[in-house]
Amino acid sequence: DQQVKQNSPSLSVQEGRISILNCDYTNSMFDYFLWYKKYPAEGPTFLISISSIKDKNEDGRFTVFLNKSAKHLSLHIVPSQPGDSAVYFCAASDDGDSNYQLIWGAGTKLIIKP
Amino acid sequence: EPEVTQTPSHQVTQMGQEVILRCVPISNHLYFYWYRQILGQKVEFLVSFYNNEISEKSEIFDDQFSVERPDGSNFTLKIRSTKLEDSAMYFCASSVTRILNFGQGTRLTVV
Repeated sequence: DQQVKQNSPSLSVQEGRISILNCDYTNSMFDYFLWYKKYPAEGPTFLISISSIKDKNEDGRFTVFLNKSAKHLSLHIVPSQPGDSAVYFCAASDDGDSNYQLIWGAGTKLIIKP
Repeated sequence: EPEVTQTPSHQVTQMGQEVILRCVPISNHLYFYWYRQILGQKVEFLVSFYNNEISEKSEIFDDQFSVERPDGSNFTLKIRSTKLEDSAMYFCASSVTRILNFGQGTRLTVV
């Protein structure tokens, strides 16, 4: 039961251009979404989040867009830098879950080409 | 910046042996978690812990697994009798809000 889906296993982007990572979800109870970045052999690092009451959240080069009707969110990285090469995970949580448990997508490996 | 720390970074164990993975969560956090990632697969939830008890656990977290917060600072995951399929990266996380902070992980290799 894949409640959070990241359909692109990998994405290759030229340095300086925009990277767009996509995520879809099926559970309409999800009300908080997070993006984590993960380097090999390291733990996930929180990047940016968005509440379902918003449709956009921006933090420096990173912007997350949420389309609730389509149950879709995307992460935009502008401009992309070599250090952005990592696996990006989309995660979601349900307001009814008092434990803040996260449901994860499978991840998208982002490769920034020089 | 405070961080979640995990030890050891890599643990190799014989099948059937017990292992304890250790974590020191961020000090003012209230919620504690263990997740794991088998090589090439998704990050999977194992268990959450709040107010000195398990608040939620997944199907993976069977009787072979247990968690403990023995002294108010450490948070441990014990696997009683390891199986080959327990080989994975194990991540500890803690939170006080809906943003979970993760440790660097322990790579468990069962041989």
